[in-house]
Amino acid sequence: QVQLVQSGAEVKKPGASVKISCKASGFSFTSYYFHWVRQAPGQGLEWMGLLNPSSGTTSFALNFQGRLTMTREASTTTVYMELSSLTSDDTAVYFCVRGGLWFRDLKGLFEFWGQGTQVTVSS
Amino acid sequence: DIVMSQSPLSLSVTPGEPASISCRSSQSLLQSNGHNYLDWYLQKPGQSPQLLIYLGSNRASGVPDRFSGSGSGTDFTLKISRVEAEDVGLYYCMQTLQNPVFGGGTKVEIK
Repeated sequence: QVQLVQSGAEVKKPGASVKISCKASGFSFTSYYFHWVRQAPGQGLEWMGLLNPSSGTTSFALNFQGRLTMTREASTTTVYMELSSLTSDDTAVYFCVRGGLWFRDLKGLFEFWGQGTQVTVSS
Repeated sequence: DIVMSQSPLSLSVTPGEPASISCRSSQSLLQSNGHNYLDWYLQKPGQSPQLLIYLGSNRASGVPDRFSGSGSGTDFTLKISRVEAEDVGLYYCMQTLQNPVFGGGTKVEIK
């Protein structure tokens, strides 16, 4: 069965970076877009960016350009999200999501979600 | 960027009664292939979101048939024909024509 298992909670100081992993299993790793979505306390869902795991190509929301990196390691079917220059506004739950088939340009179809990783930014 | 707007912000529904959520986009989500690039999601309390509807009107696997999506272009609707207690949560629309953007969400609660 399809699974996305994320790394554990993180506590970071302002100005630091955080890197979250997402281990994928149960499907063809290189066929589907991966996305990262976050949810601040009491707030809605915010799309951050996507990764094409076949080519490594990424695309990010304007809000995150310049401080967001998404990478993958095909040998371990793991994707990573790194966010730098953290502020208290980055305190949120971060979700790894499998999107649609990249070769059909299906950017949506968020059918499978990781369990979420709590990131707390505090001095 | 495409801007997504949802209404109402919240909805209180009697079990067994219908419910309807509206979603509007700032530009058309209809592509020349005939697909509307809009999804609907439900986030139940304490859970990760789940896909309900994709490409405007297609129910995801395992989604009860009381959920339906309709609309085209810039105006879309999610309908629940008979609300059940398990349907409480936050509902989001999301456009996928360009890089995804979520609507602000609609909270559904039971009366």
